[in-house]
Amino acid sequence: EADIYQTPRYLVIGTGKKITLECSQTMGHDKMYWYQQDPGMELHLIHYSYGVNSTEKGDLSSESTVSRIRTEHFPLTLESARPSHTSQYLCASSASTSGRVIGEQFFGPGTRLTVL
Amino acid sequence: SQKIEQNSEALNIQEGKTATLTCNYTNYSPAYLQWYRQDPGRGPVFLLLIRENEKEKRKERLKVTFDTTLKQSLFHITASQPADSATYLCALDPTGGYNKLIFGAGTRLAVHP
Repeated sequence: EADIYQTPRYLVIGTGKKITLECSQTMGHDKMYWYQQDPGMELHLIHYSYGVNSTEKGDLSSESTVSRIRTEHFPLTLESARPSHTSQYLCASSASTSGRVIGEQFFGPGTRLTVL
Repeated sequence: SQKIEQNSEALNIQEGKTATLTCNYTNYSPAYLQWYRQDPGRGPVFLLLIRENEKEKRKERLKVTFDTTLKQSLFHITASQPADSATYLCALDPTGGYNKLIFGAGTRLAVHP
């Protein structure tokens, strides 16, 4: 079982609200990622981080922002939620060094976001 | 454009048979390719990674092949069980080791008793 946690698991919120999706991992991984996934569709990378104070946008444009102040914590924020943001958001982490399979990503359970 | 293709139709097989799932990619030259399992409402779980210089990789009932000439990977589950029913995702890293994965949409496998 991967030690990566996401809260909340489900969130239903009105348009215009500010939300923060939490992601934490206890494996000491330096790399962390946020993916967006719609039902039956591919995961799309929206943000990634190679370490503390390092964040970059992924291939899929997103209005969300992220921060990485601590190694274990990688929250995602939407300043003003819209119905188009309705989706599943998955957080993941991976290690850079050997001892684990390099490239293996560990995923959290996801947050299902619905914006009304 | 860069693309990963997996069979979008569900694969239905009988318990005990071998399931074979296909992953085709275009316009990439990945150093390695990964397979994940995803159950409904949950995050993907890593299964296997195969490198470009490896033709085949095995783990228990799982086998993965990687043909860089055909740009194709095959994922096999032998002696399949109903508990193997899930969506299987193929992923590759086009960045040469930065581990920014691109995923296929996955193939749903249903194993019937």
